[in-house]
Amino acid sequence: DSGVTQTPKHLITATGQRVTLRCSPRSGDLSVYWYQQSLDQGLQFLIQYYNGEERAKGNILERFSAQQFPDLHSELNLSSLELGDSALYFCASSPRTGLDEQFFGPGTRLTVL
Amino acid sequence: GESVGLHLPTLSVQEGDNSIINCAYSNSASDYFIWYKQESGKGPQFIIDIRSNMDKRQGQRVTVLLNKTVKHLSLQIAATQPGDSAVYFCAENVSGGSYIPTFGRGTSLIVHP
Repeated sequence: DSGVTQTPKHLITATGQRVTLRCSPRSGDLSVYWYQQSLDQGLQFLIQYYNGEERAKGNILERFSAQQFPDLHSELNLSSLELGDSALYFCASSPRTGLDEQFFGPGTRLTVL
Repeated sequence: GESVGLHLPTLSVQEGDNSIINCAYSNSASDYFIWYKQESGKGPQFIIDIRSNMDKRQGQRVTVLLNKTVKHLSLQIAATQPGDSAVYFCAENVSGGSYIPTFGRGTSLIVHP
């Protein structure tokens, strides 16, 4: 158990819909990272937040957004969902920013029908 | 468990053997590299990292070798155990203060008792 929690574990929705994925980092970790893992693209970095502020942005679509709240939990919002958004979404956390060891959550499996 | 990828390269070894997993990276400016292990149905797990000012780093039963000349990274696992069976993938990052990694597709390691 990494100490990072993600909810829900599974999510099934339809194209065009909007969903919110939630992540609680390890106690004391200030950075949260979001990743997408699909069969055809592998693991891709989406975005990083540090202590409530966006710190780095990767291959995140404009239809996707994220935020980190004062209690350091984070949410990833996916809107106007397409079939190709079906994937595993992982959250990870680390104590600081930059190049710390990251601890990954168990992931949310999103299926868009 | 969850499948993290189809048609991944596979390395099959006997328990007790040493395993070597290779990774070719693409960006000559990358200066920070990480190896991850991902077991079926779980999130990635940090194994070991190395910065570009080093060519070798050792951990517990693992060694990472970096050859910047040919942009090649390898992970050596000593005395491989059935619990080492997983998908292993590398990540490269151009740090410069930020964290925007690029991940390899991974290699599936199968350890036979």
